[in-house]
Amino acid sequence: ETGVTQSPTHLIKTRGQQVTLRCSSQSGHNTVSWYQQALGQGPQFIFQYYREEENGRGNFPPRFSGLQFPNYSSELNVNALELDDSALYLCAWGGDLNYEQYFGPGTRLTVT
Amino acid sequence: QQQVKQSPQSLIVQKGGISIINCAYENTAFDYFPWYQQFPGKGPALLIAIRPDVSEKKEGRFTISFNKSAKQFSLHIMDSQPGDSATYFCAAILSSGPARQLTFGSGTQLTVLP
Repeated sequence: ETGVTQSPTHLIKTRGQQVTLRCSSQSGHNTVSWYQQALGQGPQFIFQYYREEENGRGNFPPRFSGLQFPNYSSELNVNALELDDSALYLCAWGGDLNYEQYFGPGTRLTVT
Repeated sequence: QQQVKQSPQSLIVQKGGISIINCAYENTAFDYFPWYQQFPGKGPALLIAIRPDVSEKKEGRFTISFNKSAKQFSLHIMDSQPGDSATYFCAAILSSGPARQLTFGSGTQLTVLP
């Protein structure tokens, strides 16, 4: 087990709505990343936070935003949901002193 | 180019056989290459990783072979077991950037027949 938890496990939203996904870690790492994994594809990097500040972003629009908190937790917020946002959303902790990143089980988001 | 290309898309192997998954990359600045294993309904789990200054790394039944000049690396699973049936992703990290983001391949669905 990685000690990374995510909530909720599954979520169904309607197009145009907003959603907040949560992630926490027992590892004590300072870096958290979020990835989007569409069905049958590899995870795509959304952004990364280091010590509560965003320090990198992939090719995702500004309606994807995040927060990192001092208690080793993080949130991913998505506004104005689109049908293509339906995916498994993964958070991963680690990568401070080494390159290893440990993933949570993910949140399955369905947008109808 | 940040792409990592992975093949095959799917692989069926008999129990006890060798499973081989291949990846190729373009960006020579990548300097860390992990493999992840993902079971249905679970997040990817780090399996084994290698740096480009090493040509091979072995951990139990899992071996990474790395060819820096060809910009290719592969995962070999020896004595494959039905419990190895999962989706495998190769990935790469560019450590010089501000964010150590993983760039993943498209995945290989491995089925090991009993």
